[in-house]
Amino acid sequence: DAGVIQSPRHEVTEMGQEVTLRCKPISGHDYLFWYRQTMMRGLELLIYFNNNVPIDDSGMPEDRFSAKMPNASFSTLKIQPSEPRDSAVYFCASSFLIGNSGNTIYFGEGSWLTVV
Amino acid sequence: RKEVEQDPGPFNVPEGATVAFNCTYSNSASQSFFWYRQDCRKEPKLLMSVYSSGNEDGRFTAQLNRASQYISLLIRDSKLSDSATYLCVVNWDQAGTALIFGKGTTLSVSS
Repeated sequence: DAGVIQSPRHEVTEMGQEVTLRCKPISGHDYLFWYRQTMMRGLELLIYFNNNVPIDDSGMPEDRFSAKMPNASFSTLKIQPSEPRDSAVYFCASSFLIGNSGNTIYFGEGSWLTVV
Repeated sequence: RKEVEQDPGPFNVPEGATVAFNCTYSNSASQSFFWYRQDCRKEPKLLMSVYSSGNEDGRFTAQLNRASQYISLLIRDSKLSDSATYLCVVNWDQAGTALIFGKGTTLSVSS
């Protein structure tokens, strides 16, 4: 089965440029998450969607960050303009909720972003 | 504030050793608890869920103490392949969907 697919895997960009990260969740999953991981802050939840609707974006660091999910099989995370402190690994993850047992989320391989 | 705290380690142990990791969480309303494993430069993957009564999966045992808001992971008979970062994970919303991760505890098992 195909897992969560992210692109690009690696990106190096200059400060001020727009960065768009893409994600295809596992088919049938109705939750999609964007996380950011750095050594200093660990894994941070940025935003998550349920059935394509943003539920909680309180983790989005500032207005330079935006995320969309136009349909069940695609989501983007955009940074405009990018800054060096945005350098991190950005993970997309998806899940489906099973009753009251919570959910297991499955991560993509991550997009490694370096802003110089 | 959403907080999941772990000792970052590293824990350096020989093969065959028993090692325990601890984790505390700040949201008393949390209902779902997990341990994830992350290998170097890889994505996190589910190791095991943590149930109120405690649960075991082979050499791994997880326990939950709701009163103290404390979770533990015990690894017996450590293998070289257990070397990784172990992430404590707690849900942060009533639906149990949004998961908050600790920064992880690094384990290095040597021969």
